[in-house]
Amino acid sequence: EVQLVESGGDLIQPGGSLRLSCAASGFTVSNNYMSWVRQAPGKGLEWVSLIYSSGSTYYADSVRGRFTISRDNSKNTLYLQMNSLRAEDTAVYYCARDRGPYSSHDYWGQGTLVTVSS
Amino acid sequence: QMTQSPSSLSASVGDRVTITCRASQSISRHLNWYQQKPGKAPSLLIYAASSLQGGVPSRFSGSGSGADFTLTISSLQPEDFATYYCQQTFSTLYTFGQGTNLEIK
Repeated sequence: EVQLVESGGDLIQPGGSLRLSCAASGFTVSNNYMSWVRQAPGKGLEWVSLIYSSGSTYYADSVRGRFTISRDNSKNTLYLQMNSLRAEDTAVYYCARDRGPYSSHDYWGQGTLVTVSS
Repeated sequence: QMTQSPSSLSASVGDRVTITCRASQSISRHLNWYQQKPGKAPSLLIYAASSLQGGVPSRFSGSGSGADFTLTISSLQPEDFATYYCQQTFSTLYTFGQGTNLEIK
């Protein structure tokens, strides 16, 4: 059974850093395309970042240069390193498995809440 | 950019409902639909414009190509009241529509 479990969300001050984790089971992260998607309170979904099985990475304009997606193959875990956090980064962050390139997110985690506030 | 309409919709159990999504340029058939219930993660309904994700009831269907797409629910059930999002995956900068909140009339 495919499962994704996010962790690492917290209350953090503006300008701070945080690393989110997404532990996967039932499949191999490194063999798949993986994404992060976020949702600000009461708002819609916003795609954040994508990592290919090849290791290529892509970012939304709103986070490029501040966020880094990565994975640890030995732990079968996906990460999102978030630096220079802003109030507008406050959101529930979901990790998702992609069906393939230019495809859809077929499995989602339950989400982890990041709150950026002083 | 993805534009969904309507942004909200009131309907009754048994109604046929259509939600539309328009892309700012052609995205071929790289269009997906998701359902999200309050406090829950989104779930995939339709991928590649018209392919039904496994386990999704057949009352859900998708159509379209190029820039114009539709999600149709043929006969609304109580569990279908939720928010629906389209998403383009034509480019590596994936984008979602703003969502359609489907409410009980």
